[in-house]
Amino acid sequence: DSGVTQTPKHLITATGQRVTLRCSPRSGDLSVYWYQQSLDQGLQFLIQYYNGEERAKGNILERFSAQQFPDLHSELNLSSLELGDSALYFCASSVDGAKNIQYFGAGTRLSVL
Amino acid sequence: AQSVTQPDIHITVSEGASLELRCNYSYGATPYLFWYVQSPGQGLQLLLKYFSGDTLVQGIKGFEAEFKRSQSSFNLRKPSVHWSDAAEYFCAVGATGGSYIPTFGRGTSLIVHP
Repeated sequence: DSGVTQTPKHLITATGQRVTLRCSPRSGDLSVYWYQQSLDQGLQFLIQYYNGEERAKGNILERFSAQQFPDLHSELNLSSLELGDSALYFCASSVDGAKNIQYFGAGTRLSVL
Repeated sequence: AQSVTQPDIHITVSEGASLELRCNYSYGATPYLFWYVQSPGQGLQLLLKYFSGDTLVQGIKGFEAEFKRSQSSFNLRKPSVHWSDAAEYFCAVGATGGSYIPTFGRGTSLIVHP
């Protein structure tokens, strides 16, 4: 158990809908990262938050947004969903700093039908 | 920007045989290097990491990796594979400056035959 909790484990929804994925980091970790894993793209970094502030942005679509709350949990919001958004979404957390060891949650599998 | 290449998409070995998974990176300075393992239905778990010092790194589950600067490689090895090692393995390179966001390779799927 990595200590990173993601909910829900599975999500099935329809095109055009909006969903929210939740992540609770390990106790003491200030930084949260979101990744998308798909068969054709591999593991793609989406966005990083550190202590409530956005720190780095990767290949995140404009339809997607995230935030980190004062209790350090994070939410990834996906809107106007398309079939191609079906993927595994991982959250990872780290204490942060130069030696960036990330601890991953078990992921949320999103299926857009 | 850094990049990682894992040349083998799939590797098949027999249980008890030795294993080497290849990883090549591209980065202008000395990178931070990681190997993660992903079992089916699970998140990624850190196997080992290299930051500096001894270029032969020991990890969990009997794995080791060797950093070879001259070859820009960080290959993962295990002397005797167990059936439970069947999983997806990811090499990652982290920048030593900037945002420190690691870049992951596409992964190598390990299949273990009895």
